[in-house]
Amino acid sequence: GENVEQHPSTLSVQEGDSAVIKCTYSDSASNYFPWYKQELGKRPQLIIDIRSNVGEKKDQRIAVTLNKTAKHFSLHITETQPEDSAVYFCAATPRGGGNKLTFGTGTQLKVEL
Amino acid sequence: GAVVSQHPSRVICKSGTSVKIECRSLDFQATTMFWYRQFPKQSLMLMATSNEGSKATYEQGVEKDKFLINHASLTLSTLTVTSAHPEDSSFYICSARDRAPRELFFGSGTQLSVL
Repeated sequence: GENVEQHPSTLSVQEGDSAVIKCTYSDSASNYFPWYKQELGKRPQLIIDIRSNVGEKKDQRIAVTLNKTAKHFSLHITETQPEDSAVYFCAATPRGGGNKLTFGTGTQLKVEL
Repeated sequence: GAVVSQHPSRVICKSGTSVKIECRSLDFQATTMFWYRQFPKQSLMLMATSNEGSKATYEQGVEKDKFLINHASLTLSTLTVTSAHPEDSSFYICSARDRAPRELFFGSGTQLSVL
């Protein structure tokens, strides 16, 4: 089955700096890669996703890049703000996987004033 | 976006009792829902895939007789933790897919504490 690794587990940045979170996956058949933001005790919220036919996607301060050859994808947050502080999870689902997501281990992002 | 409602949000029960958690898709039909378990500061672990009108598919290591799943309609799936024990204490969360391809929406989660 799919295995998703995520680094770092914790990330502390100064407000206004950029944050980068990286994930690798094992199943070359995976073709959908969402990123979720989860605040303490709350539900995960989809913040951006990318499909395997695209190398990069951007939505305002958030961007995701995908390297299919190396089987890794990254989340980039620019101009970080305190409200960006949360746990971020990457995930992957294989072609035909029917939304059966395999999640990474999560990154606790803290944006300090 | 689509809304997935999960109830209750918090349950405290005695060891040996059973607890039912409901997951409803409020404005769309979901033939498939997913149940996850999350321990503090850890990732979401898929427990089972709930299929409307058929048996749930459980992940390896998840006891189907312990975690009963019923998906009787296109908008409701239930997870029953039977004979709960303290080790079952966890955050349980469901998700469902709208018609939009691939996007999953999550319920608000249920924090189960077994005394």
